[in-house]
Amino acid sequence: QLQLQESGPGLVKPSETLSLTCTVSDGSISSSTNYWGWIRQPPGEGLEWIVTLHYTGTTYYNPSLKSRVTISADTSKSQFSLKLTSVTAADTAVYYCARQSGPPTIAARHWYFDLWGRGTLVTVSS
Amino acid sequence: QSVLTQPPSVSGAPGQRVTISCTGSSSNIGAGYDVHWYKQLPGTAPKVLICGNDNRPSGVPDRVSGSKSATSASLAITGLQAEDEADYYCQSYDSSLSLWVFGGGTKLTVL
Repeated sequence: QLQLQESGPGLVKPSETLSLTCTVSDGSISSSTNYWGWIRQPPGEGLEWIVTLHYTGTTYYNPSLKSRVTISADTSKSQFSLKLTSVTAADTAVYYCARQSGPPTIAARHWYFDLWGRGTLVTVSS
Repeated sequence: QSVLTQPPSVSGAPGQRVTISCTGSSSNIGAGYDVHWYKQLPGTAPKVLICGNDNRPSGVPDRVSGSKSATSASLAITGLQAEDEADYYCQSYDSSLSLWVFGGGTKLTVL
């Protein structure tokens, strides 16, 4: 069964760049009917969508984070990656990668996150 | 402050029925965007419970149901069990903000 796994440093210094990779096992990210995204959850708080990518390059960003976020995909490795620049303590969170799916007959705006990685805690601290 | 408003907490005794509301606006739920619900146990990733307003993915028991009306949606759980104790989140899309949005989450306590 397809699984997602986040990887990357658990500690990042303020003003530096947070870099995470999501590896999709037993599956491919080159599916026309799936999007791939990142969601984060600060400790004790709710969920915040960050960015979504389709393997063709179509990308959707959370406007409040767009200036600091980069997402990319490596279809040969079934991986997609997140970079968040100029981090502060407010970026401390559990970061999840997730697959976004839905009926191909309706717009992706209606889709949901049907498969999630286990999440990785990233702490921003000096 | 979340675009989708959920009660911070709800509770119920085993066997009872509880509902969790998710209130939005004309730019998200009221605009016709689907509402989805997730269940999150402590220390784990969210799992989809209801998709497309009222559809249960395979493996979700039929005592869980979702509904949507105007600018709000609801999640109902009947025959409450200890395993239902978790955080629940609604999710939709907001066309005014151009982003996928989550509710603030509701903690369900089984008394």
